[in-house]
Amino acid sequence: GAVVSQHPSRVICKSGTSVKIECRSLDFQATTMFWYRQFPKQSLMLMATSNEGSKATYEQGVEKDKFLINHASLTLSTLTVTSAHPEDSSFYICSVAGTDQLYGYTFGSGTRLTVV
Amino acid sequence: GNSVTQMEGPVTLSEEAFLTINCTYTATGYPSLFWYVQYPGEGLQLLLKATKADDKGSNKGFEATYRKETTSFHLEKGSVQVSDSAVYFCALRPSDGQNFVFGPGTRLSVLP
Repeated sequence: GAVVSQHPSRVICKSGTSVKIECRSLDFQATTMFWYRQFPKQSLMLMATSNEGSKATYEQGVEKDKFLINHASLTLSTLTVTSAHPEDSSFYICSVAGTDQLYGYTFGSGTRLTVV
Repeated sequence: GNSVTQMEGPVTLSEEAFLTINCTYTATGYPSLFWYVQYPGEGLQLLLKATKADDKGSNKGFEATYRKETTSFHLEKGSVQVSDSAVYFCALRPSDGQNFVFGPGTRLSVLP
């Protein structure tokens, strides 16, 4: 399966600032990557589908102007949380579809964002 | 729509106890089914999967069988270890789409 690197693993930022999270597919050219958000003790919720070279597709209720997604190459997708607020504090995880579309995706190790 | 239901946790067991975490799903068509595990402070790791009815996924002593008649994919392990303490997510991937649908997760704590 694909090897996925997500960076940073933890970040603390001040309210009002922006934070960029990177998701890299190290050994596979990923045309599609997915971004999830996980609140404490809750399940993963899909935020958006990131497509290389085109605009991301956002799930209902996710603010596209707040969560900017850029998928400029086949190995890198970025999620930028703009004007972060404490309620944006969460665990963000990306995933990459493997070479076999029938099977599970590979997930990044996640980024824990804390906005103070 | 598609959905996944898991038994509520937390589940606390003694080492070497038998584990069952129930998972049922609702989906159209023939989804693929997965169990993911999340260790403290880490991302998700694929534990096992099954892509069609009656398939059994297995890994690290864990097993789950795709039961279409009961729309279930229960996770079992005969003898748990302290190192199995984690959150376990049941998930499905619809046959007509790419996006996963996750269950709420079940936290397992194994005591020595």
